[in-house]
Amino acid sequence: DSGVTQTPKHLITATGQRVTLRCSPRSGDLSVYWYQQSLDQGLQFLIQYYNGEERAKGNILERFSAQQFPDLHSELNLSSLELGDSALYFCASSGYWGQGAKANYGYTFGSGTRLTVV
Amino acid sequence: AQKVTQAQTEISVVEKEDVTLDCVYETRDTTYYLFWYKQPPSGELVFLIRRNSFDEQNEISGRYSWNFQKSTSSFNFTITASQVVDSAVYFCALSEPGNKLVFGAGTILRVKS
Repeated sequence: DSGVTQTPKHLITATGQRVTLRCSPRSGDLSVYWYQQSLDQGLQFLIQYYNGEERAKGNILERFSAQQFPDLHSELNLSSLELGDSALYFCASSGYWGQGAKANYGYTFGSGTRLTVV
Repeated sequence: AQKVTQAQTEISVVEKEDVTLDCVYETRDTTYYLFWYKQPPSGELVFLIRRNSFDEQNEISGRYSWNFQKSTSSFNFTITASQVVDSAVYFCALSEPGNKLVFGAGTILRVKS
C-alpha cells in the first residue's frame, strides 16, 4: 500500500457522461497531483493542488476540473466524455517525510483509475 | 523548461543478461529530484528510487543499480542478471521539490526466458 488511495479502480462509461475520480493523499502530504496516461500521450500532468488551493495547471481540458477538500482528499471531474478520454488516471501526493536532517522528499502514486469510454 | 529523454523505446534481452536503461534530463534548477518508476502490465507505478541533485553517490539495491552523473545530466539504471519478472515499462522522471513530475517517454523492457 503506497499510502495514496484512488477510487474506483475501473470505470466504464458512455460518451457524453460525467464521472468523478477520487484520491486520498498519503497522510501528511499537502500536495496532490493528477496525471493522465493514454496510449499515444504518455504520462501527462493535469493539475496540482496544495492545501486546498490550485497550484499548477498542465494539459487539462476545459471539460475536466478538480478540487481539493479541507481534509486534503481530491476529486477529478471529467465531463462530456469522449472516446479519447479513455486512459489511466493517476493521483500522486508529495511531501517531506521525517524531521530535521533526516527529512526526505517523497512522491507517491496511487494505483490509478482505468477509465474506459464506450 | 524541464525535459527528460529516454532514448530507448524498447529493449529485449534474454534472462540473466545485464541491461542498462538510459535517462538524460534537462533543467535549469539547482535543486531537483530524479526518480525511476516501474510500470508492470497491471498498470500501477512502482517507485524504485529517488535521488536529489546534491547526492551523486551511486546506489545499488539488490540487482538494481543507478548511476547519477550531473556532468552529463544522466541518471542511468542497470538491472543485473535480468529476470522475466523485470519485464515492464520503466519511466525516468524529474521534479523540483513540491512541483509536478516531468516524465520521459518510458522504455519497454522485455526479458525472455
